[in-house]
Amino acid sequence: EAGVAQSPRYKIIEKRQSVAFWCNPISGHATLYWYQQILGQGPKLLIQFQNNGVVDDSQLPKDRFSAERLKGVDSTLKIQPAKLEDSAVYLCASSYRDRSFQETQYFGPGTRLLVL
Amino acid sequence: KNQVEQSPQSLIILEGKNCTLQCNYTVSPFSNLRWYKQDTGRGPVSLTIMTFSENTKSNGRYTATLDADTKQSSLHITASQLSDSASYICVVIFNDYKLSFGAGTTVTVRA
Repeated sequence: EAGVAQSPRYKIIEKRQSVAFWCNPISGHATLYWYQQILGQGPKLLIQFQNNGVVDDSQLPKDRFSAERLKGVDSTLKIQPAKLEDSAVYLCASSYRDRSFQETQYFGPGTRLLVL
Repeated sequence: KNQVEQSPQSLIILEGKNCTLQCNYTVSPFSNLRWYKQDTGRGPVSLTIMTFSENTKSNGRYTATLDADTKQSSLHITASQLSDSASYICVVIFNDYKLSFGAGTTVTVRA
């Protein structure tokens, strides 16, 4: 089974530039998540999609971050304009609900962003 | 505030030795608790999932325990191997679908 795919794996930009990340979840997974993981910390949820609808975006800095999941499959996360503190790993995960109604999350390898 | 706290922040152990990681949480209403292993440069991978009624669950050399009354969980690694060097993250699921992550414990296994 193919895992969650993310691209690019690494990105270096200057502050105030824009950047976009792409995620392709596991086929059939209805739920997709974007997390921000700063070095030495656990992942922080940015946005959660159920199919192509937003379930939770309460921690998404909406003045500069945006995300979409067209057609309920792939998703993109954009930062515009980037700040130094956005340097982090951006993890995408997808999940499905099993017969016991538990969501099992599968994470992609992440995109490492460095803002100079 | 829904919080998950892990200890220690990091530890170093010799190959073949055992270690135990701790996770305390204040999250509610509790749905289930998971331990993830995150290798450097990779996304987290699920090790164990425990619901409210489960006290212990094993996955090979990894054994997780849960005390829902005291809101504490532990992850025990037996006979550590070099490949166990990673960050171990405790995640509590609440409100059925929301996740609260701990900061992780970095384990370094030395030969």
